[in-house]
Amino acid sequence: AQSVAQPEDQVNVAEGNPLTVKCTYSVSGNPYLFWYVQYPNRGLQFLLKYITGDNLVKGSYGFEAEFNKSQTSFHLKKPSALVSDSALYFCAVRDLRTGNQFYFGTGTSLTVIP
Amino acid sequence: NAGVTQTPKFRILKIGQSMTLQCTQDMNHNYMYWYRQDPGMGLKLIYYSVGAGITDKGEVPNGYNVSRSTTEDFPLRLELAAPSQTSVYFCASSYSRTQRIRHEQYFGPGTRLTVT
Repeated sequence: AQSVAQPEDQVNVAEGNPLTVKCTYSVSGNPYLFWYVQYPNRGLQFLLKYITGDNLVKGSYGFEAEFNKSQTSFHLKKPSALVSDSALYFCAVRDLRTGNQFYFGTGTSLTVIP
Repeated sequence: NAGVTQTPKFRILKIGQSMTLQCTQDMNHNYMYWYRQDPGMGLKLIYYSVGAGITDKGEVPNGYNVSRSTTEDFPLRLELAAPSQTSVYFCASSYSRTQRIRHEQYFGPGTRLTVT
C-alpha cells in the first residue's frame, strides 16, 4: 500500500488567492513528513518538514503545512499565491517501519493564474 | 558549497550498453540516495547508502548497482541498459547523527536518460 498519497494531479488557483495542496499518509507510529518543490528541469528543493511538536510548521517562500494526526494529513498551504509558485509539489514520508527509506507522493502540479 | 552535483545531464544509450551516473556532494553528508522519476509516478528509491562502504537496496534496485568508496561520491551503474530504464535520475544526500533520520534531503539537478 502507498505510504503517501497526493489525491490531486493538478491544482489551479488565481494569483493572490490562498492555495492548498493535499497530502495524506498511511504509516504507523509517528511519521516524519516533508514537502518538496520541483521547478522545470531542476531537482527537488526542500520546503518544510514535520518531525514533532507544533502541528503547524512554517517553511520557505511563505509556505506552511498542518499536521493532522486524526485525519492522517499534511496539507501544504499558502495564504496568497504568486505566479512564481507554479511548480510541481511532492509530499514525502519517512516510514519508520522500513528504516531509512523515504516514500514520495506522485506529485501535484500547481498553476497560479495571473 | 556546490551541494549535490550529477553528471551527465543528458544521455542516450542503446539497449544493452552500460554506463555510470556520477554523483558527488560536498556537504559531508553521510546518507546518499538514488531515485528515478517517471511521469505520474513520483520518485522511486533505487539504492541508498548510510556511509562509506555501506549500501542497501531501495524499492526498485533491479538492473542497477552502486558503490560508496568515499563519503563524497555515490555512482550508479547500469550494466545492460533496457528501455524500461528510460527515466530521470536524481541523486540526493542528507545528514543524520543517528539512525532516526529526521533531516531533509538535498537533491542534484538530475540526469535525463533515454534507452532506445
